[in-house]
Amino acid sequence: KAGVTQTPRYLIKTRGQQVTLSCSPISGHRSVSWYQQTPGQGLQFLFEYFSETQRNKGNFPGRFSGRQFSNSRSEMNVSTLELGDSALYLCASSLSSLLGTEAFFGQGTRLTVV
Amino acid sequence: DQQVKQNSPSLSVQEGRISILNCDYTNSMFDYFLWYKKYPAEGPTFLISISSIKDKNEDGRFTVFLNKSAKHLSLHIVPSQPGDSAVYFCAASGSGGGADGLTFGKGTHLIIQP
Repeated sequence: KAGVTQTPRYLIKTRGQQVTLSCSPISGHRSVSWYQQTPGQGLQFLFEYFSETQRNKGNFPGRFSGRQFSNSRSEMNVSTLELGDSALYLCASSLSSLLGTEAFFGQGTRLTVV
Repeated sequence: DQQVKQNSPSLSVQEGRISILNCDYTNSMFDYFLWYKKYPAEGPTFLISISSIKDKNEDGRFTVFLNKSAKHLSLHIVPSQPGDSAVYFCAASGSGGGADGLTFGKGTHLIIQP
């Protein structure tokens, strides 16, 4: 079965612009989480969606937002981009909210802000 | 404040020997732990997990040990193979199940030398 698909793989944007990243989870998975990976901070949790509802949010400013559609696909939006937003953005999907459900990651979208 | 710490940024091990990667956590609410492996330009790949009700979980060459009183877990790889060279992330999840997201350590770069 197909894995987690993230598009686009690479993106270059200018400061002040906004960007939308897309994630298609594994078929049947209803939970989608987003993470930001930077060299200095490692992998940091952004937010998690389950059945179109955001259930939890990490410690990121309101410029970072997301949504989930009825088919479980998710999008993440970053507005008013800053240089520090340059990072690898990873999406992970899992079956449900049950404890111990492993998350499966996509290959990520490499965002560069210039 | 880092809740999951991997204090060794890198580790070099000879092929065929045992690799031991360590992880410490501070949040006593964490009760599910996972190890992920990551190659450059790819998303993390799930390796093995352990629930807090266990102290050991084994899967082929990979064994994870959990010491709850010390808030410490370790990943053992025996025997180490060249393909094991990658960055290994320790992650933890709290009692909220998947909703609170995974908290990751900053990773340990494992290098297997021939």
